[in-house]
Amino acid sequence: GQNIDQPTEMTATEGAIVQINCTYQTSGFNGLFWYQQHAGEAPTFLSYNVLDGLEEKGRFSSFLSRSKGYSYLLLKELQMKDSASYLCAVRGGATNKLIFGTGTLLAVQP
Amino acid sequence: GAGVSQSPSNKVTEKGKDVELRCDPISGHTALYWYRQRLGQGLEFLIYFQGNSAPDKSGLPSDRFSAERTGESVSTLTIQRTQQEDSAVYLCASSLYQGYNQPQHFGDGTRLSIL
Repeated sequence: GQNIDQPTEMTATEGAIVQINCTYQTSGFNGLFWYQQHAGEAPTFLSYNVLDGLEEKGRFSSFLSRSKGYSYLLLKELQMKDSASYLCAVRGGATNKLIFGTGTLLAVQP
Repeated sequence: GAGVSQSPSNKVTEKGKDVELRCDPISGHTALYWYRQRLGQGLEFLIYFQGNSAPDKSGLPSDRFSAERTGESVSTLTIQRTQQEDSAVYLCASSLYQGYNQPQHFGDGTRLSIL
């Protein structure tokens, strides 16, 4: 079967760094995506990893270890506007579709 | 517009009625996806189109759900004889093609409420 696990909620302080973890078990793997979703809005694409290692994009970085079935999203210099759900999604399976985790709701406090 | 457009943004209907949800993908995007998101839950895959064909319908919950796409553009998701459990946000996404590294771009969704 296919399974993606993320923490349900996290809290962090403005200006700090937070790491959101994602572990997955899928039949086949063709990449991992992170999306940000503000309440009542559409998910927006943040990052894509297919090879092991760290991908950096400004304040956001994403890491992948395929052997461990593990990824994390690192958010630096947190801002209040970063309060949102962060969705981990893996492309895999027989039809190569995206399977989403339930998301991590991040609350950034002053 | 430049993004994925969905209509209506909100739909309230009585149990047992049929509903049609519409998605206009980004122009030129050949791949189109439908997802369902229940309150506080993750995205649940429903169906995927490549052009006008649907290679993967595995996520459709029952035969009350159907979808079509025409002109490699607009798609409609139809739910017949709606049930209260169908209440959710229905999200549509499109990507340039069904490639491994192609991100999906989402519309704002249709919030469906079944009374």
